[in-house]
Order: sequence, then structure tokens, then C-alpha cells
Amino acid sequence: DAKTTQPPSMDCAEGRAANLPCNHSTISGNEYVYWYRQIHSQGPQYIIHGLKNNETNEMASLIITEDRKSSTLILPHATLRDTAVYYCIDRRSGTASKLTFGTGTRLQVTL
Amino acid sequence: EPEVTQTPSHQVTQMGQEVILRCVPISNHLYFYWYRQILGQKVEFLVSFYNNEISEKSEIFDDQFSVERPDGSNFTLKIRSTKLEDSAMYFCASSSTPNTEAFFGQGTRLTVV
Repeated sequence: DAKTTQPPSMDCAEGRAANLPCNHSTISGNEYVYWYRQIHSQGPQYIIHGLKNNETNEMASLIITEDRKSSTLILPHATLRDTAVYYCIDRRSGTASKLTFGTGTRLQVTL
Repeated sequence: EPEVTQTPSHQVTQMGQEVILRCVPISNHLYFYWYRQILGQKVEFLVSFYNNEISEKSEIFDDQFSVERPDGSNFTLKIRSTKLEDSAMYFCASSSTPNTEAFFGQGTRLTVV
């Protein structure tokens, strides 16, 4: 079962920042925080990951608290195409470690 | 941009038949995975594969399932005798190292009738 907890749904106005929270209450030292999203029934799309430092790429920013018990994914300027289910996942480092998906947050971006 | 490709996009099969789902991972990747998603449910891990061996498998991945890398480019999932409950989207994924992101294909929708 997924170890993370996320709100089931969120709304965001187009052009505004979307801040998606995640709780990682049982994360261990050798686990990375990963974020994926799934648009309709397409394959999950990788967004970003980090261990303990904040990370940024062309898609998003990831903020991880110092105790690593929570993280926030930030989409700086949400568009309608960002409407999707977003998953945060604790992934163990090591050989071919699996991703355990939960139910995620359904983000609806509106005009 | 390199991508994971899966064929076919949709397969309909009769209960009890064997199916093979095919995947071409990203070319320099060494770690391969299969996941499935039953309609309306979570994405579930099936199996991971590295160096021609299964690294990890879930309870779902029973004796009816097998994986193979028959050549240098394909990675296949075989279901020996399909059941109605095998109907789902099946996603293949690959990564270059165990600690880097896994990229997913667009999936094969398997419908067992």
C-alpha cells in the first residue's frame, strides 16, 4: 500500500501556481520523494524527484521539509493541460525499486 | 525525445487465451518494469527486471505471468491463460539506473471477453 497521503482533489485557476501537498509520515532515510502525474488513462509521467534538497526542473519545483515528512509540488503557472492526477511516492533507492502508487490528488485547472 | 513504446495499443482476447504484450524500452535503459491499472483503480506494480532476471514481483504476478527480454530491444509480458479480471491497462516502464526516474509507455489496453 502507498505510504503517502494526499488530498483527493484540488482546483487551480489557469496561470496561477498550483501547490500540491504530500505527507510522508513513514519515509525512511534511503527513500526518495518522487512525483508523477497521469492524464486520463495515459501512462504515468515523471515530473521530479528529490532526496532532501529542494529541486527544480522545467516542469515543476519540489519543496521537501527538513524532517522530510512532507513535500510540496509547485507548478508555477498552471495551464489546462496540467489537469491530471498527481502522485507523490516514496521510492526506496536500490535495485530496480518499484513505485507504489496511491490514489493521488486530482488537480483541476480552470479558466 | 526518447520514449517507451508499447504494442498493441488495444488487444481483445478470449478468456483462457495467451496474450503477449510488447514493449520497447528507451535504448540505453537497463531496468524494466510492468505495471497495470484496472479501470478506475490505482496503478499497481507487477514486476521489475534487470540483467535478464526478475528483481522483484508483486502478489499479482503469479505463475500465469512471465516476462522476457527476447532480444536487445524488446521486453514482453506474457499472460498464459487470461481471465476476465486481467482486463486492465498494462504499462511498461524503463530506467537507466535503479535510482533514476522510470519512464512509462502509453499502455496496452487488454480486454478479456
